[in-house]
Amino acid sequence: AQKVTQAQTEISVVEKEDVTLDCVYETRDTTYYLFWYKQPPSGELVFLIRRNSFDEQNEISGRYSWNFQKSTSSFNFTITASQVVDSAVYFCALKEEYGNKLVFGAGTILRVKS
Amino acid sequence: DAGVIQSPRHEVTEMGQEVTLRCKPISGHDYLFWYRQTMMRGLELLIYFNNNVPIDDSGMPEDRFSAKMPNASFSTLKIQPSEPRDSAVYFCASSLRGLGNSPLHFGNGTRLTVT
Repeated sequence: AQKVTQAQTEISVVEKEDVTLDCVYETRDTTYYLFWYKQPPSGELVFLIRRNSFDEQNEISGRYSWNFQKSTSSFNFTITASQVVDSAVYFCALKEEYGNKLVFGAGTILRVKS
Repeated sequence: DAGVIQSPRHEVTEMGQEVTLRCKPISGHDYLFWYRQTMMRGLELLIYFNNNVPIDDSGMPEDRFSAKMPNASFSTLKIQPSEPRDSAVYFCASSLRGLGNSPLHFGNGTRLTVT
């Protein structure tokens, strides 16, 4: 069965620090899709990235970067030079090859202090 | 373009009452999903539709819950009768061609409180 583990319940950093949010997944499928979502204090869920299992290239988008490693079943998310506006709950999620069920991890609360 | 639109944003009701949550997906999206978020269980999928047809309702907790999608631009999630344990944030989301091809876009959610 598919599973997503975000072991870090809460992380606190000071503005401008780099921070990495961990995500470990479990699946028996060879084809699968990984996602990250951000949930700011206002409550909406904002899509950040979608990655399929055949694309192991790391991705960078501004201050955000993602490190996908199939060997360790991890899809970690790094924020460089964090800002107060990055404070939110971040969710990692997994979809297996068939169907459209997206299974979410428990989320990591990120607090960025000024 | 408008995103996924949910109404109401907040709903407070008494135990035993019927509750109806509404959703308008992004125009042109073929898939519509209902998720529930609670502190205890996190984000969990309740049901999803493809082209207005329910595909997987295995996450619907009980017969008290029902969902419909009468047309491509409207869906409802109904709870009858409501119970305090139904208190949660309910999210509607849509996807253009399914999650293997496109991401899930969420609405702002409906915060339901059952007293």
